[in-house]
Amino acid sequence: AQRVTQPEKLLSVFKGAPVELKCNYSYSGSPELFWYVQYSRQRLQLLLRHISRESIKGFTADLNKGETSFHLKKPFAQEEDSAMYYCALSPASGGSYIPTFGRGTSLIVHP
Amino acid sequence: DTAVSQTPKYLVTQMGNDKSIKCEQNLGHDTMYWYKQDSKKFLKIMFSYNNKELIINETVPNRFSPKSPDKAHLNLHINSLELGDSAVYFCASSQGAGESDTQYFGPGTRLTVL
Repeated sequence: AQRVTQPEKLLSVFKGAPVELKCNYSYSGSPELFWYVQYSRQRLQLLLRHISRESIKGFTADLNKGETSFHLKKPFAQEEDSAMYYCALSPASGGSYIPTFGRGTSLIVHP
Repeated sequence: DTAVSQTPKYLVTQMGNDKSIKCEQNLGHDTMYWYKQDSKKFLKIMFSYNNKELIINETVPNRFSPKSPDKAHLNLHINSLELGDSAVYFCASSQGAGESDTQYFGPGTRLTVL
């Protein structure tokens, strides 16, 4: 069974500080991993996915298969980054899939 | 405005009642989902439909019944509501049902059962 663990319920940093939101997963096959973000009073939306290897809003995430991790990082946090972040795993299962989300980490960036 | 929309946004009701939440997407997607976000912020998939056919049905009580009249709509009907059903319910859609398909979420419906 797949599992996604986000060990931190809350992460509080000051503006300009580096940010790392942790995500560890458990899955026997090759997963696809995502980070979703939910800003206050807005809907959940995709932030980035590991296959794209892109940087969105200054955030990056590298899939580390050895450590089974997909941590989300940003070198300099901004106040507008304050939001709820969800790590999600998507395995392939017979052509359809059952996505699994972590419990979410609330990021608060103080001025 | 292209998006995933849900109605109502808030739903407060008594235990034992039957209620429905509606979801519509105008993105032309083939697959739609219902998620439940509980008080601890866990986001868990409940159902998934692809081209109006049920493809994912997680361990959800029979009181929950999804209905997809067409590809653009996936409604969630809940019978005999219980206190534990209080949560935020998110609808989502994606182009296909594959692992690489990005999901687009609705704004959520906050259900409170008294």
